Amino acid sequence: NAGVTQTPKFQVLKTGQSMTLQCAQDMNHNSMYWYRQDPGMGLRLIYYSASEGTTDKGEVPNGYNVSRLNKREFSLRLESAAPSQTSVYFCASSEATLLHGYTFGSGTRLTVV
Amino acid sequence: QQQVKQSPQSLIVQKGGISIINCAYENTAFDYFPWYQQFPGKGPALLIAIRPDVSEKKEGRFTISFNKSAKQFSLHIMDSQPGDSATYFCAASIQGYKLSFGAGTTVTVRA
Repeated sequence: NAGVTQTPKFQVLKTGQSMTLQCAQDMNHNSMYWYRQDPGMGLRLIYYSASEGTTDKGEVPNGYNVSRLNKREFSLRLESAAPSQTSVYFCASSEATLLHGYTFGSGTRLTVV
Repeated sequence: QQQVKQSPQSLIVQKGGISIINCAYENTAFDYFPWYQQFPGKGPALLIAIRPDVSEKKEGRFTISFNKSAKQFSLHIMDSQPGDSATYFCAASIQGYKLSFGAGTTVTVRA
């Protein structure tokens, strides 16, 4: 099925550990995004990539890094996880016309203990 | 500070009733206003979207009303059904990049 695939679906980290969240889309979209979702906060943009080869900070980038590996893949890295990064992380992609809006993955639920 | 303020946080409606969710924004440069629907354990999915050159858009039982002068927009769910029980997010962006989301409204439709 066409769409956005995120791995892993669940992860528990200890404070200070690092990990990379993977995201891939097969819709040939130019733009990709990483959001975090917290209760009562909606979705907040961490980083985005308007096109292959470019990345830019969103609303809450501190503690994260990203890599736009190619047009399909956009990864999010936590270098030294903190309990404040406990959240559900969503990757999304879109085409320029926004006819179909953003397509979101099913999310990664991350707990940092 | 959220750029899009959404209310209420939650609402309960009887089957067949009308659900109304309101959003307000400050940035007059916003030119794209979508609504997303999210079911538990899933990512949000686009429900309906509007641009500021129209005041209303209807798709089936879902209607967006847009008031440019008041910088407000709302989602109306007519004839609400139990399958509409979900969390709804309003959002706004400039030229489609960097969607800013509201905090979300959990809608429960009682049978």
